[in-house]
Amino acid sequence: KNEVEQSPQNLTAQEGEFITINCSYSVGISALHWLQQHPGGGIVSLFMLSSGKKKHGRLIATINIQEKHSSLHITASHPRDSAVYICAVSSGGATNKLIFGTGTLLAVQP
Amino acid sequence: KAGVTQTPRYLIKTRGQQVTLSCSPISGHRSVSWYQQTPGQGLQFLFEYFSETQRNKGNFPGRFSGRQFSNSRSEMNVSTLELGDSALYLCASRPTGFTEAFFGQGTRLTVV
Repeated sequence: KNEVEQSPQNLTAQEGEFITINCSYSVGISALHWLQQHPGGGIVSLFMLSSGKKKHGRLIATINIQEKHSSLHITASHPRDSAVYICAVSSGGATNKLIFGTGTLLAVQP
Repeated sequence: KAGVTQTPRYLIKTRGQQVTLSCSPISGHRSVSWYQQTPGQGLQFLFEYFSETQRNKGNFPGRFSGRQFSNSRSEMNVSTLELGDSALYLCASRPTGFTEAFFGQGTRLTVV
């Protein structure tokens, strides 16, 4: 079993829909990261959080430390949101090592 | 402020050769981590350097090595290339400890 699990693996939505991507982890963490990867490879950090909730524009990330679960929400989705969304955890200790989920491929259709 | 710069962006090598990839972190960032991304295995941690010291290493064979220079620039080297080493290699920099990671565009290595 992977230390970081994401669901769903693939998601197709219509423009304007509310989207939720889930992430569960089984290891102790110092922080959880949500990343976005577009075709071509570059990865952009969307959020880093260790408790509660963060919001940037139409994106919202939440984390429940007790349940070892995080969600990424996209409100009013747009075709430009189409990308792979990756959940990663910082394993803590004296290291910045990231452990990644397998990613969620999101396609938003106009 | 310039982002994380990885060179080269694309590389084609033959089995048995060696390759060196370079990563220049954001100015002031002292932590550089390297990751390998393949369709089969996803993103996997290779190594992390902080102030020229390797702080952690992933589960990769000894053919994979790296180093960090005093200006925080980092290189990774893969010797005796195998077909399975074909991947996107990404580096990420952070200022110091447990902060947001900034990724480069990656180097796509193809081994033929």
